[in-house]
Amino acid sequence: SQTIHQWPATLVQPVGSPLSLECTVEGTSNPNLYWYRQAAGRGLQLLFYSVGIGQISSEVPQNLSASRPQDRQFILSSKKLLLSDSGFYLCAWNRLTNTEAFFGQGTRLTVV
Amino acid sequence: TQLLEQSPQFLSIQEGENLTVYCNSSSVFSSLQWYRQEPGEGPVLLVTVVTGGEVKKLKRLTFQFGDARKDSSLHITAAQPGDTGLYLCAGSNNAGNMLTFGGGTRLMVKP
Repeated sequence: SQTIHQWPATLVQPVGSPLSLECTVEGTSNPNLYWYRQAAGRGLQLLFYSVGIGQISSEVPQNLSASRPQDRQFILSSKKLLLSDSGFYLCAWNRLTNTEAFFGQGTRLTVV
Repeated sequence: TQLLEQSPQFLSIQEGENLTVYCNSSSVFSSLQWYRQEPGEGPVLLVTVVTGGEVKKLKRLTFQFGDARKDSSLHITAAQPGDTGLYLCAGSNNAGNMLTFGGGTRLMVKP
C-alpha cells in the first residue's frame, strides 16, 4: 500500500532562518507531488507541483522553493524565512491516471 | 489558474438539520473531488465525480456534479456533530492532474 510521510509535524523558526521540509512517498513510482499551504480554516493554496525528478512548477512567486532530488522525495525550502511564511504546509501525491490526492499529516510552521 | 469558489465559507447548524455546500467555477473540470479535513490533519477524499450531472451518495451525503462540469454541490441530510469539519472541493483538468482547491466550507454541527 502507498503511504506518504511528511516531517516535522511542528516547527518554530526565527525570522531569517532557513527552512527544509521533507516529504517522501512509499509504495508507488513516478507520482505527481505537491506542496500546499493552508491558512487557518481555509482552503489549500498550491505552492509547487512536480511531475518528475527535477521538474518543478511554481504556482505562486514567493520566498520558498522546492526540489525533487529523487522520484519519491519532495523538499520545500527557504533561505530566509519571513513572518508571512507561517502556516500549515501539506504535501500530497497522486497518479497520472487517478486524480485522487493523498495527503501527509502536515507541518505547522510558526515563524517568530 | 482555474479558480473554485465555495459557499458558504462558514456554516453553524443544529444536529438534525439539512445543509448544502456549493462549489462553483467558470472553468470546466474533467473531474471534481470533495475532501473533509479535521484540524491538524491532511484532507481525506470523500468522493470523486467525473460525469456531468452525476450524483453520488455516501450515507447521508449526496454529491452532484453540474451538467457543464463547472460546479458541484454537497448535501448533508440530518447532520450530526461528527460531520463537523472543513469541506473542500478540488478540480482537475485534462492538462495534467494538478488539483485546484476551493476555499473550503467550515461546518459546525451543534448537538
